[in-house]
Amino acid sequence: DAKTTQPTSMDCAEGRAANLPCNHSTISGNEYVYWYRQIHSQGPQYIIHGLKNNETNEMASLIITEDRKSSTLILPHATLRDTAVYYCIVRVPSNYNLTFGKGTLLTVNP
Amino acid sequence: GAVVSQHPSWVICKSGTSVKIECRSLDFQATTMFWYRQFPKQSLMLMATSNEGSKATYEQGVEKDKFLINHASLTLSTLTVTSAHPEDSSFYICSPPRDTQYNEQFFGPGTRLTVL
Repeated sequence: DAKTTQPTSMDCAEGRAANLPCNHSTISGNEYVYWYRQIHSQGPQYIIHGLKNNETNEMASLIITEDRKSSTLILPHATLRDTAVYYCIVRVPSNYNLTFGKGTLLTVNP
Repeated sequence: GAVVSQHPSWVICKSGTSVKIECRSLDFQATTMFWYRQFPKQSLMLMATSNEGSKATYEQGVEKDKFLINHASLTLSTLTVTSAHPEDSSFYICSPPRDTQYNEQFFGPGTRLTVL
C-alpha cells in the first residue's frame, strides 16, 4: 500500500467544518483512499472511501485532487464526539491487511 | 455494518499469568481474523493473522509461542497472551476481513490489557 502523510494534530471549533488533509503522492492507479477514525479506547471505524471522484456520505465528504496525490476529509459540522485520531489509508480494496500510519489527532473544542 | 465483539473489554492481571481474549464475528462467518495491538500513543500494528482450521501467521518480531491464536470456528478467534509481562500491556483489536460492497473493513471494540 502507498504511504500517506498527515498532520500530527489539528483543532476545530464545535459546529465548524473540520478539513483533514492527506498526502499520498505514490498512490497507484488501482488504490483507493480510505479514511478511518479511532475514538479513544475504541476500535477504528470506517468513515468513507473514494477512487478519484469526490464522495459524500452521512458522516463526511472526501475530496480527492485530480492527480490523486492528495485528499481532504471534511466533517461539515464537527461535534465534540468527533474528537478522534483520523487515519488516511490508501489500499487496494481486496487487501484487508491495513497499514496504519500515525494519523491526525483532531480535537474539537467547545 | 458487520458486528464484531471482543471479550473482555479490559483486563488487569498479574505478571506471569495468561490471558485469553475472544473475538466474535456476530453476523457473518470469518475464515480469517487479523489481530492488531496498539501501545499507548502509538498506531495499530498488525500482530498476526488467524485462519480457520489452520495455523496462524505472525508478523516479524511477534513471538508465536507467547501469543497463541486459535481460530476454531468461523465465528470465534481467540488470542491468548501467555506468561504476560508488563511490556505486553496494550490495546488488542481484532478485525475480520469481509467482502462487502466497499470492503471497508470492520474492527472489534478492543481489549485493554494491563499487566501489573
